[in-house]
Amino acid sequence: QKEVEQDPGPLSVPEGAIVSLNCTYSNSAFQYFMWYRQYSRKGPELLMYTYSSGNKEDGRFTAQVDKSSKYISLFIRDSQPSDSATYLCAMGAAGNKLTFGGGTRVLVKP
Amino acid sequence: DTEVTQTPKHLVMGMTNKKSLKCEQHMGHRAMYWYKQKAKKPPELMFVYSYEKLSINESVPSRFSPECPNSSLLNLHLHALQPEDSALYLCASSQDYGGDLPKLFFGSGTQLSVL
Repeated sequence: QKEVEQDPGPLSVPEGAIVSLNCTYSNSAFQYFMWYRQYSRKGPELLMYTYSSGNKEDGRFTAQVDKSSKYISLFIRDSQPSDSATYLCAMGAAGNKLTFGGGTRVLVKP
Repeated sequence: DTEVTQTPKHLVMGMTNKKSLKCEQHMGHRAMYWYKQKAKKPPELMFVYSYEKLSINESVPSRFSPECPNSSLLNLHLHALQPEDSALYLCASSQDYGGDLPKLFFGSGTQLSVL
């Protein structure tokens, strides 16, 4: 079993819809959680960063962490074709390297 | 400024060539990383430098040789690579390594093809 599980997709939604992404993890030592967006053949771009359970909002993006269930989510409101990319969750514990999920490919159709 | 700059963006090399990848950041970060990413896979950690010293080598073959000339620069020297080494090579940096809750910022990567 992988430490971090993420559905590879693709997840196809119409423009304007809410995109819902999630990751589950097994390591209860993970303390901080990140979401990256990666366009094809480009480096990952940090979207959201959080280290506590609950919600964190930044513009159209909301990150949600439930440590008791070992489950994190990213919601993208009012999705745009430019949101089409692969979304990677990443998590870690202090002093240790990041562990990435496998990434979910998202397609937002005009 | 949260920019990590990598050069070149694309590189094609033969198995007998020697080439170098370069990475630069001016965020004052003290930790720098090399990752390798194959298509449709997540990044895999190769090396970590902390305060210009090699902290982690994830059992990477010696044909990959990292170098950290100063706190802003990171190089990856390539020699006698194999076709299976073709991948996107990513540089990243963070405030520090081994401390609390680091945020990693990635460069755009070098797309390497080994013929």
